[in-house]
Amino acid sequence: LAKTTQPISMDSYEGQEVNITCSHNNIATNDYITWYQQFPSQGPRFIIQGYKTKVTNEVASLFIPADRKSSTLSLPRVSLSDTAVYYCLVGDMGGDMRFGAGTRLTVKP
Amino acid sequence: EPEVTQTPSHQVTQMGQEVILRCVPISNHLYFYWYRQILGQKVEFLVSFYNNEISEKSEIFDDQFSVERPDGSNFTLKIRSTKLEDSAMYFCATLGQSLDDGYTFGSGTRLTVV
Repeated sequence: LAKTTQPISMDSYEGQEVNITCSHNNIATNDYITWYQQFPSQGPRFIIQGYKTKVTNEVASLFIPADRKSSTLSLPRVSLSDTAVYYCLVGDMGGDMRFGAGTRLTVKP
Repeated sequence: EPEVTQTPSHQVTQMGQEVILRCVPISNHLYFYWYRQILGQKVEFLVSFYNNEISEKSEIFDDQFSVERPDGSNFTLKIRSTKLEDSAMYFCATLGQSLDDGYTFGSGTRLTVV
């Protein structure tokens, strides 16, 4: 299973764009990159998933360079309610996905 | 939006007692998982279940733990003899055939062993 490394914490202000980068140097050919969001006392919530290049949905974008050894989750115009822990997971879909420590994002007014 | 339902939301049990945590997966999902999260720590993988058998399990998932789908719908996690260190949030997650949507997690069961 590929190990992931993310910053432990990040601070931002309302209305700013936030980019959280995850390193996964040992990513395997079959591995996908998935990001989850977790609020206190709640289960993780799926945000976005990708294999290569760029993926965009209604809440975020995911940038994956050609070598796939890292990925960047981009949250446009964050609000206070985006304060949460963000996890980057790498693995074969259907397999056991292992969570790292995640990045604790704090959005300030 | 389809949900994964977990019951109970909170359970308090005495050390040494057996507990069963229940999960109702999304109806057409095929892959099932249990995770746990000790307060203030990361989410830890316990076990994955597919086609009515365990696919993978972590080092945490020892002989005290078991999983089953007793009636083809519910997905349960049993802890035979609880220890104080089993106190945690336990999350059930499921994954459908369309892998693009990622795992759907339930809201969790908070287990407190006293």
